Amino acid sequence: EVQLVESGGGLVQPGGSLRLSCEASGFTFSTYTMDWVRQAPGKGLEWISFISTSSDTIYYADSVTGRFTISRDDARNSLYLQMNSLRDEDSGVYYCARGAGSGWLDHWGQGTPVTVSS
Amino acid sequence: DIQMTQSPSSLSASVGDRVTITCRASQSIGRYLHWYQHKPGKAPNLLISAVSTLQSGVPSRFSAGGSGTEFSLTISSLQPEDFGTYYCQQSYTTRMYTFGPGTKVEVK
Repeated sequence: EVQLVESGGGLVQPGGSLRLSCEASGFTFSTYTMDWVRQAPGKGLEWISFISTSSDTIYYADSVTGRFTISRDDARNSLYLQMNSLRDEDSGVYYCARGAGSGWLDHWGQGTPVTVSS
Repeated sequence: DIQMTQSPSSLSASVGDRVTITCRASQSIGRYLHWYQHKPGKAPNLLISAVSTLQSGVPSRFSAGGSGTEFSLTISSLQPEDFGTYYCQQSYTTRMYTFGPGTKVEVK
């Protein structure tokens, strides 16, 4: 069974940093692309970052470019999101998701909440 | 950037009703259109990939179609467990996936 489990969320002050993790199991992690998607309170889903297999290709949404860094450790079956210079508008639930085919996301974690507030 | 819109933004329907949600893209996106169901406190669930391919385990009352810039998701006979918010997503631009704003479905 495919499982994705996010962790690392919490309360942080504006300007602070957090590192989210996503531990994968039930599939060969190294052969799949991965994404991060978030949902701000009361808002819809927002795609924020993509990483290819072997980390060859990385993309970010404009809203997080220069502040967030996606990475993966295939030996640990883990995906990461380093979030720096956090803003109030970065608050929300952060999901990791497995990429498949031509860009759909076929498995998602339960999410980890991030609150940016002073 | 490709913008996605959905209509309606919310709907309330009875068990057994036929429900259709429309998703429009600001430019042609070929078959790079996918649909998700998201329930509060749960992980989003992929329903349909590449315009019309039903995912394994998704009930056959769900169907979808469309082309170019206009797409639709239909629930042929709404069931109580179909509540939630439905999102379309485009992956035509690999550097910037975008989701539609969502359609909240309430089952009366």
